[in-house]
Amino acid sequence: QSALTQPASVSGSPGQSITISCTGTTSDVGGYNQVSWYQLHPGKAPKLMIYDVTNRPSGVSNRFSGSKSDNTASLTISGLQAEDEADYYCSSYTSRSLRVFGTGTKVTVL
Amino acid sequence: EVQLEESGGNMVRPGGSLRLSCAVSGFTFDDHGMSWVRQVPGKGLEWVCEINWNGGSTGYADSVKGRFTVSRDNGKKSLYLQMNSLRDEDTALYYCARNQLFGSGSDYWGQGTLVTVSS
Repeated sequence: QSALTQPASVSGSPGQSITISCTGTTSDVGGYNQVSWYQLHPGKAPKLMIYDVTNRPSGVSNRFSGSKSDNTASLTISGLQAEDEADYYCSSYTSRSLRVFGTGTKVTVL
Repeated sequence: EVQLEESGGNMVRPGGSLRLSCAVSGFTFDDHGMSWVRQVPGKGLEWVCEINWNGGSTGYADSVKGRFTVSRDNGKKSLYLQMNSLRDEDTALYYCARNQLFGSGSDYWGQGTLVTVSS
């Protein structure tokens, strides 16, 4: 049950677009369309940003979008804003009927 | 308003036990599966376990299987995590989270309760 692989950090200037990758295997990311993305601000509860690879919960900005290709899922933030600076984690259902999180990515707005 | 509030976190010695609770309000508790997720301070999120709507199905991370037990009382709108044989590496902030009704994510989270395992 190894953690999914994410880049440790991604940065961008306000207004730019950035993409965070989340790489797993055919037993998790590649095998199911059950990838979620969470945003964590220090001292606050995690917030669901994307579920089932591409879906946005009500209230989440349409600047956030998700996709998947083979064993890698991606979260794209377009029109980067200062408030987007946070840690982001992906999560996937697995073939053992379990769940696994990614290693986490720190997004910095320059 | 959906609310989840964890309690029961404390400092405990290695080998000890602790029971966490999560009281919920603002939604029909027995419609939803629930999860426990933890975060070691300064580290990443780790999925711990989950339970389906009626407690009939559970799943555990390998790191806690056989030591932790998740349960729920729908009448009391509460989720529980019984943690036995605690280890140093179980030290973390423990979150309870509501699983989506239609979707694979967890859409509401509590603020977490801190468990410290130390001699």
